[in-house]
Amino acid sequence: GENVEQHPSTLSVQEGDSAVIKCTYSDSASNYFPWYKQELGKGPQLIIDIRSNVGEKKDQRIAVTLNKTAKHFSLHITETQPEDSAVYFCAASNRNFGNEKLTFGTGTRLTIIP
Amino acid sequence: GAVVSQHPSRVICKSGTSVKIECRSLDFQATTMFWYRQFPKQSLMLMATSNEGSKATYEQGVEKDKFLINHASLTLSTLTVTSAHPEDSSFYICSARKGQESGYTFGSGTRLTVV
Repeated sequence: GENVEQHPSTLSVQEGDSAVIKCTYSDSASNYFPWYKQELGKGPQLIIDIRSNVGEKKDQRIAVTLNKTAKHFSLHITETQPEDSAVYFCAASNRNFGNEKLTFGTGTRLTIIP
Repeated sequence: GAVVSQHPSRVICKSGTSVKIECRSLDFQATTMFWYRQFPKQSLMLMATSNEGSKATYEQGVEKDKFLINHASLTLSTLTVTSAHPEDSSFYICSARKGQESGYTFGSGTRLTVV
């Protein structure tokens, strides 16, 4: 099955600086890679996703890059703000053949230092 | 956007009792919903895939007789933790997808504490 590794487990960034979180996956058939933000006591919230036919996607201060050959994808947050502090999870799935199972990374606790 | 509502948000029950958690898709129909379990400071672990009108598919190691899943309609899936024990205390989260090209939307989670 799919295995997703995520680094770092914790990350502290000065407000205004950029944060980068990296994930690798094992199953070359995976073709959908979402990123979730989870605040304490709440369910995960989708912040951005990317499909395997795209190398990069951007939404305001958030961007995701995908390297299919190396089987890794990264989340980039620019101009960080205190409200970006949360736990971030990457995930991977293969949406072909009706397989919808998401495999999550281990999470990164991001702290933005004011 | 797609909205998934989960209820209750918190529940405390005594050992040996059963607890039901509801997951509703509010503005879309979901033939498939997913149930996850999350321990403190850990990732989400898929427990089972809930299929409308048929039996749920459980992940390896998840006791289907303990975690009963019912997906009786296209907008509602329920997870019942039967004969709960303290080790069942955890954060349970459901998710669903609005359509083939949509991302997965998660409920707000249920904090279960068994005393």
